Amino acid sequence: KNQVEQSPQSLIILEGKNCTLQCNYTVSPFSNLRWYKQDTGRGPVSLTIMTFSENTKSNGRYTATLDADTKQSSLHITASQLSDSASYICVVRVFSGGYNKLIFGAGTRLAVHP
Amino acid sequence: EAGVAQSPRYKIIEKRQSVAFWCNPISGHATLYWYQQILGQGPKLLIQFQNNGVVDDSQLPKDRFSAERLKGVDSTLKIQPAKLEDSAVYLCASSQSTRNNEQFFGPGTRLTVL
Repeated sequence: KNQVEQSPQSLIILEGKNCTLQCNYTVSPFSNLRWYKQDTGRGPVSLTIMTFSENTKSNGRYTATLDADTKQSSLHITASQLSDSASYICVVRVFSGGYNKLIFGAGTRLAVHP
Repeated sequence: EAGVAQSPRYKIIEKRQSVAFWCNPISGHATLYWYQQILGQGPKLLIQFQNNGVVDDSQLPKDRFSAERLKGVDSTLKIQPAKLEDSAVYLCASSQSTRNNEQFFGPGTRLTVL
């Protein structure tokens, strides 16, 4: 069964600190993996996309890693800011039934406190 | 470039009433998606359109939910009659095609069923 599991479920950190969010997936066949940021009351916005051959990709203070062998990904946030408070959703694309489908994780809710 | 538009942003109804949501995708995007996001969970795909044809509606509760995209542009999602468990955010997304293109999400419609 195609599944995406994220941890932790929620996280509170102080402004300026770093944090790492985890994503484990059991999806086949794997197409790509995206991390989305979803602010409260808004739709998800893509932060990074990673394909099978990519190990690391950065977008400003966000760095995503992918280990295709262990089927794990992480999102590292450096020098957190109050505006980083949001839900971070790991999404894996799988090719199934003749077309691409997205498998969503439940998300990690991050709160950055001053 | 204008993003995905949705209306209304909020809706409160009583159980057994009907409700309809509207979505206008990004211009030129052939693929349109409707998702249901229950509080604390990731989005769940309800239906996917390619132009005005349905690609996947396997998770759409067809006894009460219906969706259409008659001219291959705007789309409406209807619930009739609503149940308490339908309380959720309904997200619309669009992409250029069903291939590995990024999905862009609208702000969502928050539905509360009393």
